[in-house]
Amino acid sequence: DQQVKQNSPSLSVQEGRISILNCDYTNSMFDYFLWYKKYPAEGPTFLISISSIKDKNEDGRFTVFLNKSAKHLSLHIVPSQPGDSAVYFCAAPIGGSNFGNEKLTFGTGTRLTIIP
Amino acid sequence: DAGVTQSPTHLIKTRGQQVTLRCSPKSGHDTVSWYQQALGQGPQFIFQYYEEEERQRGNFPDRFSGHQFPNYSSELNVNALLLGDSALYLCASILDGSSYNEQFFGPGTRLTVL
Repeated sequence: DQQVKQNSPSLSVQEGRISILNCDYTNSMFDYFLWYKKYPAEGPTFLISISSIKDKNEDGRFTVFLNKSAKHLSLHIVPSQPGDSAVYFCAAPIGGSNFGNEKLTFGTGTRLTIIP
Repeated sequence: DAGVTQSPTHLIKTRGQQVTLRCSPKSGHDTVSWYQQALGQGPQFIFQYYEEEERQRGNFPDRFSGHQFPNYSSELNVNALLLGDSALYLCASILDGSSYNEQFFGPGTRLTVL
């Protein structure tokens, strides 16, 4: 049962433009959401998170938006850079908290390619 | 300070065999979680170890077992391997009670079952 879904397996964006990655979830009890970035031959690295009490969180070029009524979140990268080419996963703690001892459920990932 | 390390990097086994994968957490971390990432899928939670005990478990059969040692390193054991066990196995470490931005993943062990 996929509780977090990423329906776009891949996305190509010109360098300097905005990249928008989308994620939908089914469990309305989720209180916290995370985005991870994964390069080949490396483990996922934490990128940015958002609590359900917020609708936006920003960190440098990365902004995550949360629409609770639509059970949808998106990651915006502006401007996109070649080093952003990676697989991006959205994830949610099953227990809903921000503490890292909760098990995470991940989406299937979106492969982002930035075209120079 | 080394981050999370995993060994071996790659492994090839045949059906029915048993395998042991190893994870050394980041210095100062006491909790280790294991994930399985099949091709084209996101990581799926297998289990988590804390204080040498399995604290949480995902929907994986008993063929998957683990252990945590006093130095917080951990092993994942898989018995009676199936073709479907072919995947990237990731471990993640964190200091209990920290938030997710302080959890780190290792590079993974790529297991191929023939």
